[in-house]
This record gives sequence, structure tokens and C-alpha cells, in this order.
Amino acid sequence: AQSVTQLDSQVPVFEEAPVELRCNYSSSVSVYLFWYVQYPNQGLQLLLKYLSGSTLVKGINGFEAEFNKSQTSFHLRKPSVHISDTAEYFCAVIDSGGYQKVTFGIGTKLQVIP
Amino acid sequence: EPEVTQTPSHQVTQMGQEVILRCVPISNHLYFYWYRQILGQKVEFLVSFYNNEISEKSEIFDDQFSVERPDGSNFTLKIRSTKLEDSAMYFCASSGEPITQYFGAGTRLSVL
Repeated sequence: AQSVTQLDSQVPVFEEAPVELRCNYSSSVSVYLFWYVQYPNQGLQLLLKYLSGSTLVKGINGFEAEFNKSQTSFHLRKPSVHISDTAEYFCAVIDSGGYQKVTFGIGTKLQVIP
Repeated sequence: EPEVTQTPSHQVTQMGQEVILRCVPISNHLYFYWYRQILGQKVEFLVSFYNNEISEKSEIFDDQFSVERPDGSNFTLKIRSTKLEDSAMYFCASSGEPITQYFGAGTRLSVL
């Protein structure tokens, strides 16, 4: 069974500053990795995903993430945040053989301070 | 952009009552899922559905839960006799290529 750890429950950051949201996973098999974002009172929106190929993946709204197999990490980054990035961010994995359930982390609340 | 639609956005019910949560998946998707998120906890997988049958379910998905695709567009989650601990946000998801799942906005279920 796989698990996902998001080390920071809340991350405050000033507008236009860079941000990194950390995610580590554990699994006995290969996984696919995802970041979802939940804006206030909205659903879960896919931000980006890693399935295979280049370990640096780019998503919507200027976010990117890097898959590091040796460190079992998939950290999310943005070089310059905007007020509108205030939301909760969820790291998630799917077992590459299962194609069934997504296993989510607990979420990280990003608060962008003007 | 196609999206997963869930209704209602908020459902209030009395303990012991039956509720049906409705979802309209993205139109050409074949794989459907339900998840729930109890306040302050992780989003948890409940069930996956493909080809008109359950393909996987979690231990949470006991006999009081059922899913159905009653027609070509809807996907429902029924809770037969709600308990206080069923209060949660329920998310429906669908996928076309069974890897990337797209989620709806959720139904907040409040059991009183």
C-alpha cells in the first residue's frame, strides 16, 4: 500500500516570493504522482502530473514539480506566487499497476500574504 | 472545458435516513469513483466503478453504501441509513484513461 506525506500543514508566503510545498511518498511499486489544488469552496482541480519521462513537470498557473525517485519526493514549486494562489494543495499517488484509487496527502494550505 | 458535476452541493439529513448523492461524469469517461473527506482528515477512496460494476472498494465502503449508473450520464452514491460519522464532503471523479482522475466540486453531507 502506498502513502503520501505532506510535511507542512500551512505555508505562509509573501506575494511575489517563491514557494515550495513538500511531498514524500512511499510505495512498494512504481507510482504515478499528482498535485491537486482546492480553492476555497471549490472542488479538486488537477494542477500537474508525473506519469513518465522528464522528471520536471509543468502545470497550470506557473507551478512545476520535480519527481525524485531516490528521495521518493515530488515537491511543488512556483518562483513567484500571487494572491490568487491562496488555496489548499494536495499531493497524490496512484499505484502504476492498480489504476484505481488515488491516495492523497493531508494537504498543505498556502496562504499568500499581500 | 468538460467537468464533473455533483448535486446537491450541500445535503442535510437526519440520522437513519437514506441519501443519494448524484454525479455527472465527463461525457466520454468510462471510469468512475467516489471519495470522501471528513473535516480535517485526508481525502479517502471509497469505490471505483467500471463497465457497470464495482472494480475496487475500500473497507469504508460497507453494506450501507451502494453505487449505480442508472443511465448513460449519471453516477450515484447511495447511503442507506446515514450515521453521524457519515458527515463529510463526498467527491465524485471520473477518468478516461484510468490514470488521471478529474474531480467534481463535492457534496457536503451533514447528518444530524
